[in-house]
Amino acid sequence: KQEVTQIPAALSVPEGENLVLNCSFTDSAIYNLQWFRQDPGKGLTSLLLIQSSQREQTSGRLNASLDKSSGRSTLYIAASQPGDSATYLCAPGSGNTGKLIFGQGTTLQVKP
Amino acid sequence: GAVVSQHPSRVICKSGTSVKIECRSLDFQATTMFWYRQFPKQSLMLMATSNEGSKATYEQGVEKDKFLINHASLTLSTLTVTSAHPEDSSFYICSARFRGDTIYFGEGSWLTVV
Repeated sequence: KQEVTQIPAALSVPEGENLVLNCSFTDSAIYNLQWFRQDPGKGLTSLLLIQSSQREQTSGRLNASLDKSSGRSTLYIAASQPGDSATYLCAPGSGNTGKLIFGQGTTLQVKP
Repeated sequence: GAVVSQHPSRVICKSGTSVKIECRSLDFQATTMFWYRQFPKQSLMLMATSNEGSKATYEQGVEKDKFLINHASLTLSTLTVTSAHPEDSSFYICSARFRGDTIYFGEGSWLTVV
């Protein structure tokens, strides 16, 4: 059974800092891995999707890396802004099914 | 704009009653949809996979008779919480698969059972 762990659980930083959010998963036989953002009481917004054959994906100030063999993914956020405050969820995909297993998330607060 | 719509966004019901939550894919057909629930300050837990035209596949520990899922069309899946109890109060969120690996999530539905 896939288990996903995200570290840290919470993070508070001043604006402008570069951040690293970590995700580890127990079953390395994943199809892909996605990072999502969730604002309080809201649904999920997909940030980055990394296929199992890929090492990283970039979108603007976000960069996600994947080390499938070691069961790890990292989300880098450059030059953080208050608008980045949210919970970030890591979700490896199980086979080509669309089924996602979520970590507990990292709640980020960026202070102006 | 949203490509997956959930309704209602918030619902309060009395214990013992049933409540239905709808998940619609807008402008695309979704043969597979997923239902998750999320308790406060916890992560999303997959409840079931909803397949158009067939029975849903439930995750271990999820009561299929309590959480009825119907995927009657290519754009609509419904989750009915039957005989609701206060412990069923949660945030329920659906997702739909679009063109391969793209997954879109709905905005979620807050259920409060009183």
